[in-house]
Amino acid sequence: EIVLTQSPGTLSLSPGERATLSCRASQSVSSNFLAWYQQKPGQAPRLLIYGASSRATGIPDRFSGSGSGTDFTLTISRLEPEDFAVYYCQQYGSSPPDTFGQGTKLEIK
Amino acid sequence: EVQLLESGGGLVQPGGSLRLSCAASGFTFSSYAMSWVRQAPGKGLEWVSTISGSGGGTYYADSVKGRFTISRDNSKNTLNLQMNSLRDEDTAVYYCARRIGVAGRIDYWGQGTLITVSS
Repeated sequence: EIVLTQSPGTLSLSPGERATLSCRASQSVSSNFLAWYQQKPGQAPRLLIYGASSRATGIPDRFSGSGSGTDFTLTISRLEPEDFAVYYCQQYGSSPPDTFGQGTKLEIK
Repeated sequence: EVQLLESGGGLVQPGGSLRLSCAASGFTFSSYAMSWVRQAPGKGLEWVSTISGSGGGTYYADSVKGRFTISRDNSKNTLNLQMNSLRDEDTAVYYCARRIGVAGRIDYWGQGTLITVSS
């Protein structure tokens, strides 16, 4: 089973700043089948990025994903107030089982 | 518009059973694999189970194998999760989710239903 480790656990930034979130896999993710989800309090997760770098439908272009193999990054170029949330990475290339990272909380500084 | 609406959550005693359902609409249900993913209070996401579009393939996390059964009724556009021998650690919000293939990404999530296992 692939273990995903996200860092940092919490990221404190201000609106307008750039956010960089990391997801590291314990072994290579098949075909870069890695996704990023955003979750706000009391809401279901929302798909942002799939295939490591493809934006899901309706996702603003300030969100971008990159990486391959075992190291992946979610970048938010200029933070908007609505971007403060918890972000999860997920590998699905070797699913089942799916595995998720433990999450990064992006909070307002 | 894709919609997934879970039901069946509630309070159950340890050792008890519960059946969750997810009503799907806005897409051709039988063309998509479906999953259940749960989230314990204040914790991260944990995959529980997946079923193929036809229902012929089912997959379970080790933590629920032998206790939970996933099924679907493509004539009623409904996904189910029968949960038996429930434990305290099964307490969580359970999300129904659509995925692009059994091993594909999850692209839509329901709003979730809370299961509390407690005496």
